[in-house]
Amino acid sequence: NAGVTQTPKFRVLKTGQSMTLLCAQDMNHEYMYWYRQDPGMGLRLIHYSVGEGTTAKGEVPDGYNVSRLKKQNFLLGLESAAPSQTSVYFCASSYSQAPISTDTQYFGPGTRLTVL
Amino acid sequence: GENVEQHPSTLSVQEGDSAVIKCTYSDSASNYFPWYKQELGKRPQLIIDIRSNVGEKKDQRIAVTLNKTAKHFSLHITETQPEDSAVYFCAASLLSAYGSSNTGKLIFGQGTTLQVKP
Repeated sequence: NAGVTQTPKFRVLKTGQSMTLLCAQDMNHEYMYWYRQDPGMGLRLIHYSVGEGTTAKGEVPDGYNVSRLKKQNFLLGLESAAPSQTSVYFCASSYSQAPISTDTQYFGPGTRLTVL
Repeated sequence: GENVEQHPSTLSVQEGDSAVIKCTYSDSASNYFPWYKQELGKRPQLIIDIRSNVGEKKDQRIAVTLNKTAKHFSLHITETQPEDSAVYFCAASLLSAYGSSNTGKLIFGQGTTLQVKP
């Protein structure tokens, strides 16, 4: 199994450009998450999804949109990139099954995004 | 919502010494507390976790303790080695239940950079 993968690994954008980050997992996980990591601020949740076709806002959702059209994929979109969105973006997934669930989150390798 | 505070932000120890990292959380309903290790340029990886029905958990040189009354939990690393050098993150969550509004969201602390000097 590849686990959690992210595409691309690096990207440089100009202010105002748009892009989509792709996260894919082959572990049949129900839940998927997008975080951003900035120095001294830990990992902050942007958006998350508890299943195919559902998404919800996290701690810092402004300026981002997400979609979960397929269970294995979770897309993060930036419609009009700003320098404040320069960060490292991590995707994660976790498995949940009735009646007992587990919250162990498995992370992807990250995408380093620079907005000029 | 939940808030997690982590201290210290940096920690330097000599090889063989112990290291302790502490976290406090605000939501008394949180019941799952994982610790992640992130090496430079790598992804965070789970090293140990604890649920609120136990007060301590050990895995070789790593242990985590939980004080629900005080709402704090700590990571203890004994006999530190240079390969323990990394950034460590604590997190708190409400254990999810299938089909409920609980989602397993993790709220992370700010991270502790541990340096183990040979």
